[in-house]
Formats: sequence, C-alpha cells, structure tokens
Amino acid sequence: DAKTTQPPSMDCAEGRAANLPCNHSTISGNEYVYWYRQIHSQGPQYIIHGLKNNETNEMASLIITEDRKSSTLILPHATLRDTAVYYCIVRPLIVRFGAGTRLTVKP
Amino acid sequence: AAGVIQSPRHLIKEKRETATLKCYPIPRHDTVYWYQQGPGQDPQFLISFYEKMQSDKGSIPDRFSAQQFSDYHSELNMSSLELGDSALYFCASSHLLKPSGRWDTEAFFGQGTRLTVV
Repeated sequence: DAKTTQPPSMDCAEGRAANLPCNHSTISGNEYVYWYRQIHSQGPQYIIHGLKNNETNEMASLIITEDRKSSTLILPHATLRDTAVYYCIVRPLIVRFGAGTRLTVKP
Repeated sequence: AAGVIQSPRHLIKEKRETATLKCYPIPRHDTVYWYQQGPGQDPQFLISFYEKMQSDKGSIPDRFSAQQFSDYHSELNMSSLELGDSALYFCASSHLLKPSGRWDTEAFFGQGTRLTVV
C-alpha cells in the first residue's frame, strides 16, 4: 500500500477553514485517497474519498493534485466538534491507519 | 455485448525485432491487464493499468513496456524479441469500482494475440 505523510498536529481557529495536507507520492493508479477522523474514544469516521478529481460533500472538500501525489482536506468552517485525529489513507483494499494529524480547533 | 478486442490476432516476428500489441477494453472499463502464456504454461501476469496509470507490475521483462491511453486502450511494446517470447498474449479489462461502491476485480479476457518469434 502507498504510504502517507501528514503533519502530526495543527491548530485552527473556530469558524475558519482547516486545511489538512497529505503526501502520498507512491500512490498507485488503482488507489483512492480516503480521509477518516477519529474523535476521542470513538471509532474512525469516514469523511470523504477521491481518485483524481476534487470532491465535496456535506462534511468537507478534498483537493487532489493533478499528479495525485498529494491532497488537502478542507473543513470549510471548523467547529469545536471537529477536533479529532484526521487520517489520510490511500487504498483500494486494506485500511491501515498511520499516525494521523491531530487537529485542535480553538475558540 | 462488446468484448475485449486485441490486435493483431497473430504476429510473426524475427529475433531482435520489435512488436506492438494492442488491446481495446470493454467500453467504460477503466483497468487493463496483460498476461503472457507460453506453450503448456499458465498465464503469467505482466502488468496492469488503472485510469491510465500503471497499477501493478508482474513478471514483465525490461525489454517490454506498456501504457494505457486516454481512450483507455492499451499497447504492449516488446523490443529485442527473443525466441522465448513466443507466446499467447492476453489482455483483460475490468471496471474496478462497481456502482454500489464495492471493489470488483472480475476481468474479462480478449481472444489473445499469438506471437511467434522466428
């Protein structure tokens, strides 16, 4: 599976956009980019996924570079409830969580 | 229903020549696989492409290269042909992600190209 690299932690002001980067330079052609998050003491929660086009849903937007070697998850208006560890994963088949990025939304 | 189309069906080349095999996947299929089957042998996976990018690589010799084009057809280029390259070359295609969101690796094979190196 392709490996991902994320910053270990980030801060974001409440109400502002949170932009979480992820590098996946060894991504294969059949692997999608998935984002999950884990809020303290809960199971991972699916956020969004994409292949090569930008994606948007009610939770977030996903921007994937044209060469697919990196992506950015955007939470447009972060709230305190978005404080969590965010995982960027490339896969088709097996989900393996790395260290993730701990996002702390501050008032 | 449309199937995987390979061309040519038969090809005779001399040693050290080059050959190009073409594969046209089933419409809307996004993945192409190449296999080589020698006489009396099982098909050996060579290489695959998904959405025009190489996805997996098997026992493909360095003398061989392949690519998938914008219309999803694929070409296998073989250079410095050797007698041992004589084989049946299969192409298969699949659509990796079903509408349901489940992964589907079922592949449909073409009729193959019989390459004879003399």
